[in-house]
Amino acid sequence: EAGVTQFPSHSVIEKGQTVTLRCDPISGHDNLYWYRRVMGKEIKFLLHFVKESKQDESGMPNNRFLAERTGGTYSTLKVQPAELEDSGVYFCASSRDSNTGELFFGEGSRLTVL
Amino acid sequence: AQSVTQLDSQVPVFEEAPVELRCNYSSSVSVYLFWYVQYPNQGLQLLLKYLSGSTLVKGINGFEAEFNKSQTSFHLRKPSVHISDTAEYFCAVGRGSTLGRLYFGRGTQLTVWP
Repeated sequence: EAGVTQFPSHSVIEKGQTVTLRCDPISGHDNLYWYRRVMGKEIKFLLHFVKESKQDESGMPNNRFLAERTGGTYSTLKVQPAELEDSGVYFCASSRDSNTGELFFGEGSRLTVL
Repeated sequence: AQSVTQLDSQVPVFEEAPVELRCNYSSSVSVYLFWYVQYPNQGLQLLLKYLSGSTLVKGINGFEAEFNKSQTSFHLRKPSVHISDTAEYFCAVGRGSTLGRLYFGRGTQLTVWP
């Protein structure tokens, strides 16, 4: 069974540009999460999808971030326009149930904004 | 609000020595506790979790943790570490029915030397 995959693994862009991160969850996992780790700080929750619906997006930092999960399969996280403070590692995770606390994480997408 | 404190950012130990990684949390409500591990070039994976029941929880790879409500701690221990245990370890807290929204500590880098 394939794990959670994320693309790209590393992206370097300039301030003001746009970047789109993609996450493919484990097949059959209705729950999909995005987390972010800014260097030296804790991993922070961004949002939670149940199938194609946003269950909780209270962790999204501002309206420059847009997450979608069309069809309830893969998800994208777009940052437009990117700012320096958006640099960090963006993790995607998925789970079959939302009440066990067991999330399956991808390797992360490292975003560097210059 | 939840916060998780991992008191040590780096823990170097020699192979076969015991190790304890410390985690304290603050919360005004009942919480559920987790330890995740990230090996180099991999995603985070669940090491163990406390949801209810026995306060001593055993996880994978010989790790265990003890939930101490009075001290609001959930320290991770292993009696004898291996070089392959070198990784970053994250303590996390969840609450309620939405255990996919986890609050992470800043992580502890465990390095095991031969």
